[in-house]
Amino acid sequence: QVQLVQSGSELKKPGASVKVSCRASGYSFSAMNWVRQAPGQGLEWMGWINSNTGNPTYAQGFTGRFVFSVDTPVSTAYLQITSLKAEDTAVYYCYVPPVGGGYWGQGTLVTVSS
Amino acid sequence: DIQMTQSPSSLSASVGDRVTITCRASQGISNFLAWFQQKPGKAPKSLIYAASRLQSGVPSKFSGSGSGTDFTLTISSLQPEDFATYYCQQYYNYPWTFGQGTKVEIK
Repeated sequence: QVQLVQSGSELKKPGASVKVSCRASGYSFSAMNWVRQAPGQGLEWMGWINSNTGNPTYAQGFTGRFVFSVDTPVSTAYLQITSLKAEDTAVYYCYVPPVGGGYWGQGTLVTVSS
Repeated sequence: DIQMTQSPSSLSASVGDRVTITCRASQGISNFLAWFQQKPGKAPKSLIYAASRLQSGVPSKFSGSGSGTDFTLTISSLQPEDFATYYCQQYYNYPWTFGQGTKVEIK
């Protein structure tokens, strides 16, 4: 059974950093996408990382403070956000592309508040 | 960027109804289109990829069609568990983009 298991909710102060993990079990992924969903809003594609090369691709608006990485031996992808702002408050999802099965993590709520 | 426009934004339907949701791309995307279902407080669930192919385990009451710029998701007989928000997404080129969502509510 394929599962993407994400790390738990985070409460951070503005200016701090956070690292969200996404561990795949029962599945060897070659690409991992990240999607943001702000409170009450729709889905926003952030970008993806090629797990074979480690090469990330970022959507506009997610460059600079957002970093994708992958640890292939442990089948885990990471999303790091630095210099957190209140507007980064959202649920972040990892997601395997549609042709790869379309699996989603359960989501990680990141709350940025002083 | 390719804009994805869903219609309607919301709809009210009864159990047993046939429901159709439309997704239009701002430029041709061949069949590089996926559909997702999201229930409140839950992660999205993949339903369809390549415009018309069901993901593993998705019931056949869901179907997708279209190519180029115009696509549809149809639920043949709406059941209580189908009340949710549905999103389309193009993966033809970067950045991948989602539609704004269609909320299916109980009449």
